[in-house]
Amino acid sequence: KQEVTQIPAALSVPEGENLVLNCSFTDSAIYNLQWFRQDPGKGLTSLLLIQSSQREQTSGRLNASLDKSSGRSTLYIAASQPGDSATYLCAVKPSGTYKYIFGTGTRLKVLA
Amino acid sequence: SAVISQKPSRDICQRGTSLTIQCQVDSQVTMMFWYRQQPGQSLTLIATANQGSEATYESGFVIDKFPISRPNLTFSTLTVSNMSPEDSSIYLCSVDLAGDTQYFGPGTRLTVL
Repeated sequence: KQEVTQIPAALSVPEGENLVLNCSFTDSAIYNLQWFRQDPGKGLTSLLLIQSSQREQTSGRLNASLDKSSGRSTLYIAASQPGDSATYLCAVKPSGTYKYIFGTGTRLKVLA
Repeated sequence: SAVISQKPSRDICQRGTSLTIQCQVDSQVTMMFWYRQQPGQSLTLIATANQGSEATYESGFVIDKFPISRPNLTFSTLTVSNMSPEDSSIYLCSVDLAGDTQYFGPGTRLTVL
């Protein structure tokens, strides 16, 4: 059974720092992995989608990497800003399914 | 991309009553998904709604408690029946589009007293 874990559960950093959020999954047979952002009390916004054949994806200050063999993905945020404060969730779509399995989330706070 | 709306955005309900949540998508999609997010928790898939067939429920969720309708390719409803305080959650609908990006609605925040 696929399980997705995110470390750390919470993170507080000063503005301007580069930071890395971690996502690990137990079964490497995945179709893709997606990173989301969720603001308090709101829905989810897709940040980056990585197909199983890809190693990384970039969008602006965000870079996500995927290492299927080790069951890990990282989300790198460059030059963090207070507006980046949110909960970040990773989700894995196992091969042969249409369903996503979500991680536990990392609650990020960027201090001005 | 897809634009998804949900109604209501929030509600406070009494124990034992039912609430129906609506989800509208701006494009036709085959599958729509309903998730629950309990306070401080991640998302758990309740069921997958296909147009023209019965919804497929995940382990721990049953049709009597969470009946779902899918009358067409752009709309679905989820009813939370005979509510208890444990049903207090954010309920989210989502869709997969070509390219596999998953889009979410803004969520319905439900509080059961």
